[in-house]
Amino acid sequence: KAGVTQTPRYLIKTRGQQVTLSCSPISGHRSVSWYQQTPGQGLQFLFEYFSETQRNKGNFPGRFSGRQFSNSRSEMNVSTLELGDSALYLCASSFTGTGVTLLSGNTIYFGEGSWLTVV
Amino acid sequence: AQSVTQPDIHITVSEGASLELRCNYSYGATPYLFWYVQSPGQGLQLLLKYFSGDTLVQGIKGFEAEFKRSQSSFNLRKPSVHWSDAAEYFCAVVSNYGGSQGNLIFGKGTKLSVKP
Repeated sequence: KAGVTQTPRYLIKTRGQQVTLSCSPISGHRSVSWYQQTPGQGLQFLFEYFSETQRNKGNFPGRFSGRQFSNSRSEMNVSTLELGDSALYLCASSFTGTGVTLLSGNTIYFGEGSWLTVV
Repeated sequence: AQSVTQPDIHITVSEGASLELRCNYSYGATPYLFWYVQSPGQGLQLLLKYFSGDTLVQGIKGFEAEFKRSQSSFNLRKPSVHWSDAAEYFCAVVSNYGGSQGNLIFGKGTKLSVKP
């Protein structure tokens, strides 16, 4: 069974540009969540999508957005990039359903991440 | 707010020695707890998880963790460390409220170095 796949793995962008990152979850997983990892702030939850709807959102500015497609693949977008957006962006998937979340005892699996450098 | 604390930023142990990485959480009810490992340049790999039941949890790569409600701890242990265990280790709890509900709150991580 293939794991969580993220593309691209590495990218460099300039301040003010926007970026789109892609994530394909494990087959059968309908929940996709995104996390940002930086040396200063550590791992922080960005948002979670389930059935093409954002189910939860962390404390990030509106420049960070995402979406999920009918095949559960997800993309996240960061607009007007800032130097502080340089980070490893991790996508994770889990087998959850309506009303069934990690609180029900499911496991979340992470991809390898997308390394974003803003210059 | 819920939080996870990993008191040790960096630990160095000799190969073959035992290991204990500390994790404390703040949460009123029974938490769902995880330990993940991250090798340089890689994503997160699940080592083990605790949802309920037996408080001593066995994981992959010879790791185990013990849930102690009285101490709000979920420490990770390994009896004999191998050089390949050098990595960063993250403890996490499932958030029970707010915007992050149902998702993970992570500790800051403990970097493990292994001496030959």
